[in-house]
Amino acid sequence: EIVMTQSPATMSVSPGETATLSCRASQSVSNNLAWYQQKPGQPPRLLIYDTSTRATGIPDRFSGSGSGTEFTLTINSLQSEDFAVYYCHQYNNWPTFGQGTKVEIK
Amino acid sequence: QVQLVQSGAEVKPPGSSVKVSCKASGAPLSDFGISWVRQAPGQGLEWMGGIIPVVDSTKYGQKFQDRVTISADELTNTVYMGLRSLRSDDTALYYCVKGESNWFDSWGQGTLVTVSS
Repeated sequence: EIVMTQSPATMSVSPGETATLSCRASQSVSNNLAWYQQKPGQPPRLLIYDTSTRATGIPDRFSGSGSGTEFTLTINSLQSEDFAVYYCHQYNNWPTFGQGTKVEIK
Repeated sequence: QVQLVQSGAEVKPPGSSVKVSCKASGAPLSDFGISWVRQAPGQGLEWMGGIIPVVDSTKYGQKFQDRVTISADELTNTVYMGLRSLRSDDTALYYCVKGESNWFDSWGQGTLVTVSS
């Protein structure tokens, strides 16, 4: 099983600032990596797939990068609605998720 | 846009079984695969398994392969997830999601399964 490790577990960011979230895979997943946003009481929402392709309707302040084992989700100019938990997900092999990064208001 | 609507919450005693349904609308099941992902209270996401109905192919996560069965009824556009020998740590929100070997771009609303005596 490919283990996905996200860091940090929690980050405090002020509105308008940039958040950089990391996701590391225990072995290469090529570019088969997605990111999701989850707010309390809601199912996750797909943000990014294939490492860097934004899903339909996702604003361009969300961007993804990386390859192999190291991936990054960057959220520019954080808006109030962006404070949530973010998960990475590899689908190169049997799907696995990271444990999540909570982005909270500073 | 595919929409997924799941069956309602369940309360089950330990050792019993549960079957959760997921009805798709907006496209026929033959067009895509469906996976099941669960989330224990306050915890992260865990993939359980998936099905590609058009080729009747299923695969299951190693942790669940002895206890889970995923099936599909293309006539009603519905996918089912059955989990047996329930334990207290199976208490979770169970989501059906569109996708099997790729990203998950549509999610059901979730079905809470509570295992309690």
